[in-house]
Amino acid sequence: KQEVTQIPAALSVPEGENLVLNCSFTDSAIYNLQWFRQDPGKGLTSLLLIQSSQREQTSGRLNASLDKSSGRSTLYIAASQPGDSATYLCAVPGGGADGLTFGKGTHLIIQP
Amino acid sequence: NAGVTQTPKFQVLKTGQSMTLQCAQDMNHNSMYWYRQDPGMGLRLIYYSASEGTTDKGEVPNGYNVSRLNKREFSLRLESAAPSQTSVYFCASSDLWDSGNTIYFGEGSWLTVV
Repeated sequence: KQEVTQIPAALSVPEGENLVLNCSFTDSAIYNLQWFRQDPGKGLTSLLLIQSSQREQTSGRLNASLDKSSGRSTLYIAASQPGDSATYLCAVPGGGADGLTFGKGTHLIIQP
Repeated sequence: NAGVTQTPKFQVLKTGQSMTLQCAQDMNHNSMYWYRQDPGMGLRLIYYSASEGTTDKGEVPNGYNVSRLNKREFSLRLESAAPSQTSVYFCASSDLWDSGNTIYFGEGSWLTVV
């Protein structure tokens, strides 16, 4: 059974810092890995999707990397801003159409 | 640009009552999902539907039933609500996400069972 772990569970940093969120998964036979953002009281918004054949994806100040062989992914946030405060979740597919397996998330607070 | 729409947003039930959470998507996706999110447990899959007319159990299906009414709509029913079903419920849809398409989530339904 696929298990996804995110470290750290919570992180609080001053505005402007670069930071790294970590995600690990136990079964490396994945099609892709996805990073989501969740604001309080809201649903999940997809940030980046990395295919298994890719090493990284970038969107603005966000960069996600994927190392399938070691079962790890990182989300790098450059020049953090208070608006980046949210919970970040990573997820990998269970195969076919049977949904995603999520990590428990990293709760991020960016201090102004 | 509605995406995935869930109703109701908030609901309080008494133990033993029944209710149905409604979900509709306007993106012509084949696959739809119901998740629940609990503190410390993360998101867990309740049921999914790979296509119209099919449904399958996920990780935590006990106490729930689903109906894929048509391609757009996927409902989740609690027949006899229990306090353990107090949670936030999310509906989602996607199309061939294992080929690189993303998954879209609704805004969530907050359910309290007293």
